[in-house]
Amino acid sequence: EPEVTQTPSHQVTQMGQEVILRCVPISNHLYFYWYRQILGQKVEFLVSFYNNEISEKSEIFDDQFSVERPDGSNFTLKIRSTKLEDSAMYFCASSVRGGQTDTQYFGPGTRLTVL
Amino acid sequence: SQQGEEDPQALSIQEGENATMNCSYKTSINNLQWYRQNSGRGLVHLILIRSNEREKHSGRLRVTLDTSKKSSSLLITASRAADTASYFCATAPIQGAQKLVFGQGTRLTINP
Repeated sequence: EPEVTQTPSHQVTQMGQEVILRCVPISNHLYFYWYRQILGQKVEFLVSFYNNEISEKSEIFDDQFSVERPDGSNFTLKIRSTKLEDSAMYFCASSVRGGQTDTQYFGPGTRLTVL
Repeated sequence: SQQGEEDPQALSIQEGENATMNCSYKTSINNLQWYRQNSGRGLVHLILIRSNEREKHSGRLRVTLDTSKKSSSLLITASRAADTASYFCATAPIQGAQKLVFGQGTRLTINP
């Protein structure tokens, strides 16, 4: 069964450094998402992406964050200058159609630790 | 106010018993989805129920949706030790069409 994959599984970085989290969505899916989950808290929506542009973003997704689909398979989340509070599990998800009507399939997550 | 609040926050039962988890939400939705998360791992999709549906089954799972009360329940029958996990409901609000809004989750422990 097709799965969303994410790399790396764990990333440790120093505060102020840039990180890029990578995701490979399910191949026939058209909508892509990033969520995050701070330890012990609920999963929070960051951004959705469709047709090579951001379709919706949350207040969390400020200028420090960016997303890109650099080729036909990868979907990346970049954090330009990491802060301690960016430490969280980051989940990529994809769906065939938009979230209104369709199941979102999640990857295993990347645990980001900012020191 | 928060969308998608589950109760109880934690539930511990014996293997073989049924487990019921509830979810309440505040805004109108297009659909509601239930996910499972094993400790520190990814989110596994369990079931999606649309706003015009009242009940849905998948194997040992039964989900109900009451849009008048803005609530949903997830029933796991004949629980197994492998069902031990956190369970989250996630709503797709009518406004904000792309995102899912997650609840805090119910931590389910199945004792052998």
